[in-house]
Amino acid sequence: KAGVTQTPRYLIKTRGQQVTLSCSPISGHRSVSWYQQTPGQGLQFLFEYFSETQRNKGNFPGRFSGRQFSNSRSEMNVSTLELGDSALYLCASSLDSDYGYTFGSGTRLTVV
Amino acid sequence: GDSVTQMEGPVTLSEEAFLTINCTYTATGYPSLFWYVQYPGEGLQLLLKATKADDKGSNKGFEATYRKETTSFHLEKGSVQVSDSAVYFCALRSGGTSYGKLTFGQGTILTVHP
Repeated sequence: KAGVTQTPRYLIKTRGQQVTLSCSPISGHRSVSWYQQTPGQGLQFLFEYFSETQRNKGNFPGRFSGRQFSNSRSEMNVSTLELGDSALYLCASSLDSDYGYTFGSGTRLTVV
Repeated sequence: GDSVTQMEGPVTLSEEAFLTINCTYTATGYPSLFWYVQYPGEGLQLLLKATKADDKGSNKGFEATYRKETTSFHLEKGSVQVSDSAVYFCALRSGGTSYGKLTFGQGTILTVHP
């Protein structure tokens, strides 16, 4: 059974650019959540999607957005990148919120 | 709001030593509690979970008991191995409309020496 797949694994972008990260959940999982992990702030929740609808959102600026497709694959987008956006972005999938979440290996974003 | 506090690390142990990593939480209602482990360069792996008071989660020799009266979920293992070296995160998920949101502690780095 394939796990949660995140692409790309590594990304280097310049300040002011935008970036799109992709997440393919485990087959059958309809809930997808995104997290930002940094040494200073730890793991912080970005948002959660279920059946193409955003059900929950963390305290991040509007530059951070996401979407989910009918096949449950999800993308997150960060516009006007700032140096502070450098982080490991983790995606997690689940059947629904009451079940455990399985995490992908993450996308390491570096903003220069 | 919800919060999770883990014991400060790093924790350094010799192989076969006993491990305890303390975790306490603040949450509304009755949260579900989790321990995740992160190996270098990888994402998080679910280690164990408990969904109600007095539940004991266990996996790979690790155990944690959901203690509502002390709002704690301490992780224990009787005999650690070098391969247990990793970062351990305690997390909670509140009920209600907290869809998909896990609140994590700051993580505890565990290093086990042969």
